[in-house]
Amino acid sequence: DAGITQSPRHKVTETGTPVTLRCHQTENHRYMYWYRQDPGHGLRLIHYSYGVKDTDKGEVSDGYSVSRSKTEDFLLTLESATSSQTSVYFCAISERTNTGELFFGEGSRLTVL
Amino acid sequence: AQKVTQAQTEISVVEKEDVTLDCVYETRDTTYYLFWYKQPPSGELVFLIRRNSFDEQNEISGRYSWNFQKSTSSFNFTITASQVVDSAVYFCALSDKYNFNKFYFGSGTKLNVKP
Repeated sequence: DAGITQSPRHKVTETGTPVTLRCHQTENHRYMYWYRQDPGHGLRLIHYSYGVKDTDKGEVSDGYSVSRSKTEDFLLTLESATSSQTSVYFCAISERTNTGELFFGEGSRLTVL
Repeated sequence: AQKVTQAQTEISVVEKEDVTLDCVYETRDTTYYLFWYKQPPSGELVFLIRRNSFDEQNEISGRYSWNFQKSTSSFNFTITASQVVDSAVYFCALSDKYNFNKFYFGSGTKLNVKP
């Protein structure tokens, strides 16, 4: 199994509070991604990174920011959480872009009250 | 625009039945990859198969087989002699070879295999 750890695995927070989810990998893969999973939508890309300090927006990036200061860590921040951001968040990594194969973390369930 | 449609929201079968999960995709690219992922009740996402747009050969892996048809933009997944352990949500996904950020998932099909 790919060495991907997400933390926290579960979090309940209130509207308006900041939240940071962490993805840590031990595979030294260059590419990292944050997806959210919602019923009826499958998984949708929030942000991705193609190297240290190199990030870009995905399909549903509004309300989220990311940072990658080290190869192994990719942080997803909700500056002011809203109920619409209640979701399961998955981190994924990949070694190359020419195959597109992703390895996923276990997911982080976030509930915003 | 890239799009993946899994029209079957939920399927229920009895163990040992064969079942096919449908996946239809839309893309303007000539080079792309298609994938199937499995999400068992425990929640993790497990990679099952990758197929590139230039390889239309069907693939078989044990009880699993995949039928890729560019003419109908479909990449269907068949489980032969289903087992209870096959119960999961299955996602079909589409990516572009040159733009790794464009990875689009279908909404998933939940498969229930009853004993």
